[in-house]
Amino acid sequence: ETGVTQTPRHLVMGMTNKKSLKCEQHLGHNAMYWYKQSAKKPLELMFVYSLEERVENNSVPSRFSPECPNSSHLFLHLHTLQPEDSALYLCASSQFLVAGGNEQFFGPGTRLTVL
Amino acid sequence: AQTVTQSQPEMSVQEAETVTLSCTYDTSENNYYLFWYKQPPSRQMILVIRQEAYKQQNATENRFSVNFQKAAKSFSLKISDSQLGDTAMYFCAFMNSGQFYFGTGTSLTVIP
Repeated sequence: ETGVTQTPRHLVMGMTNKKSLKCEQHLGHNAMYWYKQSAKKPLELMFVYSLEERVENNSVPSRFSPECPNSSHLFLHLHTLQPEDSALYLCASSQFLVAGGNEQFFGPGTRLTVL
Repeated sequence: AQTVTQSQPEMSVQEAETVTLSCTYDTSENNYYLFWYKQPPSRQMILVIRQEAYKQQNATENRFSVNFQKAAKSFSLKISDSQLGDTAMYFCAFMNSGQFYFGTGTSLTVIP
């Protein structure tokens, strides 16, 4: 696959489980993002990484833990989630974080269901 | 804080017709970027068109064009000659200093 890939595409987990979402970008970009997409709500920016450093954490509960081991990979570790965390989780990347008109390239998302 | 408003949750258009999706935003910034993204059913979100706030000329990409009214903080998307493949969720987005803000989206259905 080209562009931004995400695995798994679908995930069902119980509230006591621990799971991880993976994102990989094949574009040589320096910035990566996690978004939460819920029905009838704006995309919620969760985390932003630039050159593997976290630069944004938009008041996300600690049950979500991001990890960026290198500029091509981004993880979202999940533990003790709540049913309201069920959503589509999108990963995106852009060439630079702060530069003119950076287009974000999105992955296909992970559809998460918390039982 | 920046906000992006899309007041049309759902729209439909006849194939080959023209449709306009509305977007307004609120910001005190002078330099920023605006985007329209398209998310087809069960497919990845992709960029449709981009507008730099410092440019007065409206951006155009083939059948897609925008009407950017900076003073009114309005950024509508016009789709001409609508095709069945245009059926998707359309999100308006605002970007400034690396932060992106998205609207709630407009679900567009192109009717054969």
